[in-house]
Amino acid sequence: IAGITQAPTSQILAAGRRMTLRCTQDMRHNAMYWYRQDLGLGLRLIHYSNTAGTTGKGEVPDGYSVSRANTDDFPLTLASAVPSQTSVYFCASSGEGSTDTQYFGPGTRLTVL
Amino acid sequence: GQNIDQPTEMTATEGAIVQINCTYQTSGFNGLFWYQQHAGEAPTFLSYNVLDGLEEKGRFSSFLSRSKGYSYLLLKELQMKDSASYLCAVRDSNYQLIWGAGTKLIIKP
Repeated sequence: IAGITQAPTSQILAAGRRMTLRCTQDMRHNAMYWYRQDLGLGLRLIHYSNTAGTTGKGEVPDGYSVSRANTDDFPLTLASAVPSQTSVYFCASSGEGSTDTQYFGPGTRLTVL
Repeated sequence: GQNIDQPTEMTATEGAIVQINCTYQTSGFNGLFWYQQHAGEAPTFLSYNVLDGLEEKGRFSSFLSRSKGYSYLLLKELQMKDSASYLCAVRDSNYQLIWGAGTKLIIKP
Protein backbone atom coordinates (compact mmCIF):
# COMPACT_ATOMS: atom_id res chain seq x y z
CA ILE A 1 0.00 0.00 0.00
CA ALA A 2 1.27 3.47 -0.83
CA GLY A 3 -0.75 6.41 0.46
CA ILE A 4 -4.48 6.09 1.07
CA THR A 5 -6.78 3.38 -0.19
CA GLN A 6 -10.56 3.31 -0.16
CA ALA A 7 -13.02 0.49 -0.72
CA PRO A 8 -15.25 -0.12 -2.49
CA THR A 9 -14.53 1.96 -5.60
CA SER A 10 -18.24 2.23 -6.27
CA GLN A 11 -21.44 0.83 -4.81
CA ILE A 12 -25.16 0.86 -5.54
CA LEU A 13 -27.19 0.50 -2.37
CA ALA A 14 -30.87 0.15 -1.59
CA ALA A 15 -32.33 2.77 0.72
CA GLY A 16 -32.46 1.62 4.33
CA ARG A 17 -29.41 -0.63 4.04
CA ARG A 18 -26.34 -0.28 6.21
CA MET A 19 -23.02 0.41 4.50
CA THR A 20 -19.43 0.87 5.64
CA LEU A 21 -16.89 2.67 3.49
CA ARG A 22 -13.34 1.68 4.26
CA CYS A 23 -10.26 3.90 4.37
CA THR A 24 -6.69 2.85 5.16
CA GLN A 25 -3.49 4.91 5.09
CA ASP A 26 0.10 3.79 5.48
CA MET A 27 1.72 7.21 5.99
CA ARG A 28 1.36 7.13 9.79
CA HIS A 29 -0.63 10.35 9.62
CA ASN A 30 -2.36 11.34 12.84
CA ALA A 31 -5.36 13.13 11.34
CA MET A 32 -7.96 11.62 9.00
CA TYR A 33 -11.07 13.03 7.38
CA TRP A 34 -14.19 12.01 5.49
CA TYR A 35 -15.65 14.35 2.87
CA ARG A 36 -18.50 14.13 0.44
CA GLN A 37 -18.40 15.86 -2.94
CA ASP A 38 -21.57 16.77 -4.79
CA LEU A 39 -21.89 18.50 -8.15
CA GLY A 40 -21.73 22.28 -7.81
CA LEU A 41 -20.74 22.17 -4.16
CA GLY A 42 -17.38 22.24 -2.47
CA LEU A 43 -16.06 19.31 -0.52
CA ARG A 44 -18.00 19.06 2.75
CA LEU A 45 -16.50 17.57 5.88
CA ILE A 46 -18.52 14.75 7.42
CA HIS A 47 -16.34 13.58 10.31
CA TYR A 48 -12.70 13.85 11.27
CA SER A 49 -10.21 12.34 13.68
CA ASN A 50 -7.17 14.21 14.95
CA THR A 51 -5.60 11.08 16.41
CA ALA A 52 -6.40 7.44 17.05
CA GLY A 53 -9.16 7.06 19.62
CA THR A 54 -10.77 10.47 18.99
CA THR A 55 -13.34 11.64 16.45
CA GLY A 56 -15.24 14.85 15.75
CA LYS A 57 -18.22 16.04 13.75
CA GLY A 58 -17.80 18.10 10.62
CA GLU A 59 -20.24 20.21 8.66
CA VAL A 60 -22.62 17.41 7.59
CA PRO A 61 -22.41 14.55 10.14
CA ASP A 62 -26.07 13.47 10.30
CA GLY A 63 -26.67 9.90 9.14
CA TYR A 64 -22.98 8.99 9.36
CA SER A 65 -20.73 7.56 12.05
CA VAL A 66 -17.00 6.89 12.24
CA SER A 67 -14.51 5.10 14.46
CA ARG A 68 -10.73 5.34 14.81
CA ALA A 69 -9.48 2.24 16.59
CA ASN A 70 -5.93 2.62 15.24
CA THR A 71 -3.77 5.07 13.25
CA ASP A 72 -4.27 3.45 9.86
CA ASP A 73 -8.02 2.84 9.53
CA PHE A 74 -10.95 5.23 9.51
CA PRO A 75 -14.21 3.58 8.40
CA LEU A 76 -17.35 5.57 7.65
CA THR A 77 -20.72 3.92 8.32
CA LEU A 78 -24.13 4.83 6.96
CA ALA A 79 -26.53 3.20 9.40
CA SER A 80 -29.61 3.43 7.16
CA ALA A 81 -28.83 4.87 3.74
CA VAL A 82 -31.09 7.48 2.13
CA PRO A 83 -31.04 8.75 -1.49
CA SER A 84 -29.63 12.15 -0.39
CA GLN A 85 -26.46 10.30 0.61
CA THR A 86 -25.75 9.56 -3.04
CA SER A 87 -22.37 11.21 -3.53
CA VAL A 88 -18.66 10.69 -4.04
CA TYR A 89 -16.92 10.10 -0.74
CA PHE A 90 -13.26 10.98 -0.20
CA CYS A 91 -11.08 10.00 2.70
CA ALA A 92 -8.05 12.18 3.45
CA SER A 93 -5.21 12.26 5.93
CA SER A 94 -2.70 14.82 7.16
CA GLY A 95 0.56 14.58 9.05
CA GLU A 96 0.82 16.75 12.14
CA GLY A 97 -2.52 16.95 13.80
CA SER A 98 -4.83 19.06 11.66
CA THR A 99 -2.24 21.58 10.50
CA ASP A 100 -0.58 19.71 7.67
CA THR A 101 -1.51 19.32 4.01
CA GLN A 102 -4.33 16.88 3.39
CA TYR A 103 -3.80 13.97 1.00
CA PHE A 104 -6.77 12.22 -0.54
CA GLY A 105 -7.75 8.66 -1.33
CA PRO A 106 -9.23 7.75 -4.74
CA GLY A 107 -12.84 8.06 -3.59
CA THR A 108 -15.93 5.88 -3.39
CA ARG A 109 -18.87 6.61 -5.66
CA LEU A 110 -22.05 5.68 -3.77
CA THR A 111 -25.54 5.57 -5.26
CA VAL A 112 -28.52 5.06 -2.95
CA LEU A 113 -31.73 4.05 -4.68
CA GLY B 1 -21.27 32.27 7.52
CA GLN B 2 -18.16 31.03 5.81
CA ASN B 3 -17.84 31.41 2.08
CA ILE B 4 -15.32 30.65 -0.63
CA ASP B 5 -16.04 32.06 -4.11
CA GLN B 6 -14.37 31.07 -7.35
CA PRO B 7 -15.57 31.12 -10.97
CA THR B 8 -17.47 28.04 -12.05
CA GLU B 9 -15.71 27.60 -15.37
CA MET B 10 -12.91 29.15 -17.44
CA THR B 11 -11.58 28.48 -20.91
CA ALA B 12 -8.03 29.10 -22.09
CA THR B 13 -5.79 28.23 -25.01
CA GLU B 14 -2.89 25.81 -24.97
CA GLY B 15 0.38 27.66 -24.36
CA ALA B 16 -1.33 30.68 -22.80
CA ILE B 17 -1.57 31.95 -19.21
CA VAL B 18 -4.67 31.78 -17.04
CA GLN B 19 -5.46 33.25 -13.61
CA ILE B 20 -8.07 31.62 -11.39
CA ASN B 21 -9.35 33.85 -8.60
CA CYS B 22 -10.61 32.92 -5.17
CA THR B 23 -12.19 35.20 -2.57
CA TYR B 24 -13.00 34.09 0.91
CA GLN B 25 -14.83 35.07 4.07
CA THR B 26 -14.06 32.70 6.91
CA SER B 27 -13.99 32.63 10.70
CA GLY B 28 -10.26 32.96 11.10
CA PHE B 29 -7.47 32.23 8.66
CA ASN B 30 -4.71 29.66 8.97
CA GLY B 31 -3.64 29.23 5.40
CA LEU B 32 -5.02 28.82 1.90
CA PHE B 33 -4.63 25.77 -0.32
CA TRP B 34 -5.03 25.10 -4.02
CA TYR B 35 -5.77 21.61 -5.25
CA GLN B 36 -6.11 20.17 -8.74
CA GLN B 37 -8.79 17.58 -9.48
CA HIS B 38 -9.05 15.74 -12.78
CA ALA B 39 -12.48 14.38 -13.66
CA GLY B 40 -13.23 11.18 -11.75
CA GLU B 41 -10.09 11.45 -9.63
CA ALA B 42 -9.09 12.65 -6.17
CA PRO B 43 -7.92 16.20 -5.43
CA THR B 44 -4.14 16.57 -5.42
CA PHE B 45 -2.23 19.28 -3.56
CA LEU B 46 -0.79 22.15 -5.62
CA SER B 47 0.16 25.00 -3.32
CA TYR B 48 -0.14 26.55 0.12
CA ASN B 49 -0.05 30.23 1.15
CA VAL B 50 -0.16 31.55 4.68
CA LEU B 51 1.70 34.86 4.25
CA ASP B 52 0.93 37.61 1.74
CA GLY B 53 2.70 37.38 -1.55
CA LEU B 54 3.49 35.06 -4.40
CA GLU B 55 4.59 31.43 -4.14
CA GLU B 56 6.05 30.02 -7.34
CA LYS B 57 6.32 26.35 -8.18
CA GLY B 58 7.28 25.63 -11.75
CA ARG B 59 4.49 26.59 -14.15
CA PHE B 60 2.12 27.24 -11.24
CA SER B 61 2.13 30.24 -8.91
CA SER B 62 -0.24 31.20 -6.11
CA PHE B 63 -0.79 34.64 -4.62
CA LEU B 64 -2.40 35.67 -1.35
CA SER B 65 -3.67 38.95 0.08
CA ARG B 66 -5.05 38.38 3.56
CA SER B 67 -6.31 41.95 3.96
CA LYS B 68 -8.44 41.56 0.82
CA GLY B 69 -9.48 37.96 1.45
CA TYR B 70 -8.17 37.11 -2.00
CA SER B 71 -5.99 34.58 -3.73
CA TYR B 72 -5.26 33.57 -7.28
CA LEU B 73 -3.67 30.60 -8.98
CA LEU B 74 -1.64 31.43 -12.07
CA LEU B 75 -0.96 28.72 -14.62
CA LYS B 76 1.63 29.44 -17.33
CA GLU B 77 2.43 27.66 -20.60
CA LEU B 78 -0.85 25.80 -20.45
CA GLN B 79 -0.88 22.17 -21.52
CA MET B 80 -3.85 20.00 -22.42
CA LYS B 81 -3.23 17.95 -19.27
CA ASP B 82 -4.00 21.08 -17.20
CA SER B 83 -7.68 20.63 -18.07
CA ALA B 84 -9.12 19.93 -14.63
CA SER B 85 -10.99 21.54 -11.77
CA TYR B 86 -9.03 23.76 -9.41
CA LEU B 87 -10.19 23.89 -5.81
CA CYS B 88 -9.51 26.72 -3.37
CA ALA B 89 -9.68 25.91 0.34
CA VAL B 90 -9.11 28.00 3.47
CA ARG B 91 -8.14 26.64 6.86
CA ASP B 92 -10.30 28.36 9.44
CA SER B 93 -9.85 29.12 13.14
CA ASN B 94 -10.73 25.49 13.99
CA TYR B 95 -8.02 24.28 11.59
CA GLN B 96 -10.64 22.74 9.34
CA LEU B 97 -10.62 23.28 5.58
CA ILE B 98 -13.48 25.22 4.00
CA TRP B 99 -13.71 24.45 0.29
CA GLY B 100 -14.84 26.39 -2.71
CA ALA B 101 -16.95 24.61 -5.34
CA GLY B 102 -14.03 24.57 -7.75
CA THR B 103 -13.23 26.14 -11.12
CA LYS B 104 -13.42 23.89 -14.15
CA LEU B 105 -10.62 24.87 -16.55
CA ILE B 106 -11.04 23.91 -20.19
CA ILE B 107 -7.95 24.07 -22.38
CA LYS B 108 -8.45 24.41 -26.12
CA PRO B 109 -5.78 23.61 -28.73
